[in-house]
Amino acid sequence: GDSVTQMEGPVTLSEEAFLTINCTYTATGYPSLFWYVQYPGEGLQLLLKATKADDKGSNKGFEATYRKETTSFHLEKGSVQVSDSAVYFCALTTEETSGSRLTFGEGTQLTVNP
Amino acid sequence: DAGVIQSPRHEVTEMGQEVTLRCKPISGHDYLFWYRQTMMRGLELLIYFNNNVPIDDSGMPEDRFSAKMPNASFSTLKIQPSEPRDSAVYFCATEQYFGPGTRLTVL
Repeated sequence: GDSVTQMEGPVTLSEEAFLTINCTYTATGYPSLFWYVQYPGEGLQLLLKATKADDKGSNKGFEATYRKETTSFHLEKGSVQVSDSAVYFCALTTEETSGSRLTFGEGTQLTVNP
Repeated sequence: DAGVIQSPRHEVTEMGQEVTLRCKPISGHDYLFWYRQTMMRGLELLIYFNNNVPIDDSGMPEDRFSAKMPNASFSTLKIQPSEPRDSAVYFCATEQYFGPGTRLTVL
């Protein structure tokens, strides 16, 4: 079956540090890949996505590149802020139509200290 | 569009009571998902619908849980009777977009 493996947390960084959260996947079909962010006490927000190999999703300074050869979709940000403290989830869907069921990773807690 | 709307945002009830969670999806989205999130088990998919028809309810934990989608603009998740172990945040999502969740506490 499909699965997503995320870098274990928690991750603690100082403000302006470089962030990488690793995500690898296994999928039976050709997946679309997503990163979600969950701020404390809130729901999951779609942060970025990529639907085919070598696509780069980007939003709010975050980037992730769909790497089919390594089955990875690592999340990066060049300079984190305290406001980026949240839980980050990597996810995929493999079905043809958009919005079909997502398979999530376990989530990675990020804390950014001033 | 206001996004996915869930109500109530918080619910506190006593064991044995019936609980109904509500969701208004984004107009035009064909898929609707109900998730549960807890510290112990993380994010779990309970059930999802396509065009108001339940497609997969294998994640529904017990017969105490039921979900309906009578039309394209409304869905409910019901727990009857509720138990303390049902305490969690319940999310409704349509396509890839999540609602703010309902935080349920069963005493």
